[in-house]
Amino acid sequence: SQQGEEDPQALSIQEGENATMNCSYKTSINNLQWYRQNSGRGLVHLILIRSNEREKHSGRLRVTLDTSKKSSSLLITASRAADTASYFCATDSGGNKLVFGAGTILRVKS
Amino acid sequence: EAGVVQSPRYKIIEKKQPVAFWCNPISGHNTLYWYLQNLGQGPELLIRYENEEAVDDSQLPKDRFSAERLKGVDSTLKIQPAELGDSAVYLCASSQGSAGNTIYFGEGSWLTVV
Repeated sequence: SQQGEEDPQALSIQEGENATMNCSYKTSINNLQWYRQNSGRGLVHLILIRSNEREKHSGRLRVTLDTSKKSSSLLITASRAADTASYFCATDSGGNKLVFGAGTILRVKS
Repeated sequence: EAGVVQSPRYKIIEKKQPVAFWCNPISGHNTLYWYLQNLGQGPELLIRYENEEAVDDSQLPKDRFSAERLKGVDSTLKIQPAELGDSAVYLCASSQGSAGNTIYFGEGSWLTVV
């Protein structure tokens, strides 16, 4: 079963534009993590945000968390062709067990 | 520092044949996970180990799937016999210490059952 639901399912933008992906979940969480997966590759960890945090930054990435709405967003600024990948949110509700959503496929056109 | 290492990367087998996947976690990581990822889906947990103990195997189809982590380091995941529907990516991951730590994934073992 998958707890997180990403929105949109697919996103196509031009290089230099910002990309925003959203994640909604159902139960309370300890933390939420975002991962990237290039085609044919494994998952790469991007950011972990804890339930008592509201926003985190890492380079061109900005993640927000709204526990009252049970939602999170991932913003990639000034996107590059190399950002083309699938992006997954994963929730940890305890015991370091991640439950993933179905992902957002991002395509950045150069 | 080496990441999570998995082998084989790709495997094609006929249905009803057995298959095994091997995983070497990041050094010092006591928690090890096996995830299943179907095409176009997010990964789903099959089994989680804390050291050599399987602490969550509720989603492992035990009629044909088995896993072991005998010395609390490397792990193997076996399918016997394989079915067409087992075609997927099998991802191994590891993390260190208590809950709330980052989980690191390997490149995955891509299985095709024909």
